Amino acid sequence: EIVLTQSPGTLSLSPGERATLSCRASQSVSSNYLAWYQQKPGQAPRLLIYGTSSRATGTPDRFSGSGSGTDFTLTINRLEPEDFAVYYCQQYIKSTRTFGQGTKVEIK
Amino acid sequence: QVLLQVSGPGLVKPSETLSLTCTVSGGSISGYYWNWIRQPPGKGLEWIGSIYYSGSTDFTPSLSSRVTMSVDTSKNQFSLKLNSVTAADTAVYYCGRSRVPGAPGLWGQGTLVTVSS
Repeated sequence: EIVLTQSPGTLSLSPGERATLSCRASQSVSSNYLAWYQQKPGQAPRLLIYGTSSRATGTPDRFSGSGSGTDFTLTINRLEPEDFAVYYCQQYIKSTRTFGQGTKVEIK
Repeated sequence: QVLLQVSGPGLVKPSETLSLTCTVSGGSISGYYWNWIRQPPGKGLEWIGSIYYSGSTDFTPSLSSRVTMSVDTSKNQFSLKLNSVTAADTAVYYCGRSRVPGAPGLWGQGTLVTVSS
């Protein structure tokens, strides 16, 4: 099973700042099969990024994904108030299709 | 627009079978993978499995012995059955649509299923 470890657990930032979220895999993941989701309290997750760097429909361009192999990053430029949420990475190539444990981006 | 709606009992007794249905409205079930993902209260996400509209399935290994999925294209519905449930199966269960197994771009609202006597 591929284990995804996200860091930091919590990121405290102010609106307008940049957020950098990390997702590290226990073994190499094809870049075609790494996704990022945003989840707000009481809501279903929302797909932001798929294939490491492709924005899903409706994802603002301040969100960008990058990485390869075992290290992947979600960057949020100029945080907006609606961006404060929990973010999950996921690999979806192996049968377990595992998620990371999440990074909470909170208002400082 | 396409909407997904989960339905089913919110309370299931230990050792019994959890049964949920996801109804797809505003679009066809054909051509997509249909996923079940769950989230225990206050915890992270766990992919349970996917079913293609044609009926082929793929389950996470840790649950594969207890999971059944089916699809009814005539009703635009797909279903999840999880047998021999325990308190560890208490979670919000989501259904979702994807182009490949496991990464839904469209999610239903989720339903909390509690396993308790």
